[in-house]
Amino acid sequence: AQTVTQSQPEMSVQEAETVTLSCTYDTSENNYYLFWYKQPPSRQMILVIRQEAYKQQNATENRFSVNFQKAAKSFSLKISDSQLGDTAMYFCAFMKPHGGSQGNLIFGKGTKLSVKP
Amino acid sequence: NAGVTQTPKFQVLKTGQSMTLQCAQDMNHNSMYWYRQDPGMGLRLIYYSASEGTTDKGEVPNGYNVSRLNKREFSLRLESAAPSQTSVYFCASSAVTGGPNEKLFFGSGTQLSVL
Repeated sequence: AQTVTQSQPEMSVQEAETVTLSCTYDTSENNYYLFWYKQPPSRQMILVIRQEAYKQQNATENRFSVNFQKAAKSFSLKISDSQLGDTAMYFCAFMKPHGGSQGNLIFGKGTKLSVKP
Repeated sequence: NAGVTQTPKFQVLKTGQSMTLQCAQDMNHNSMYWYRQDPGMGLRLIYYSASEGTTDKGEVPNGYNVSRLNKREFSLRLESAAPSQTSVYFCASSAVTGGPNEKLFFGSGTQLSVL
């Protein structure tokens, strides 16, 4: 069974600085998808970034980028120029492309990020 | 654009009571999902529906039933609520089931407390 581990329950960063959130996962699959979701205090789940395992190039979305290390089964999220609005819970999630609970996301337990002024 | 709409947003039940959580999406998505989120945990899949007329169990289905009423609506029913079902419940939908462009759209959640 797939598992997702986020080893940092809480982190804080000063506004305008850079922070990296860690995520490791365990799977025997060769093809899969990885996601970072943001959950602000409003409780809404917001997709931040997505990575396909067969792509070697790391995904980027504006200030958000990932460091995907397939062999190490690591998928970290880097937030550059942190803003107060980045304060939220961040969840790493894994998905197999087919079979079983199709579309099922396996979530880590989350990292609570606080951006301080 | 409403997206995924869940009702109610908050609910308090007594042990043994029943209730139905409603979910509707207006994006013409095929797949719909119900997750629960407990403190200190990520979201866990309760049930999902890959298409209209089909439903399947997820990771934590015990104590729940679902109905895919039509393509838009997917409800979650607690027949006899238990304190262990105190949680935040999220409905989600997606256009593509398990494909490379998979993206789940989430509702805003229902905070359920069972006393």
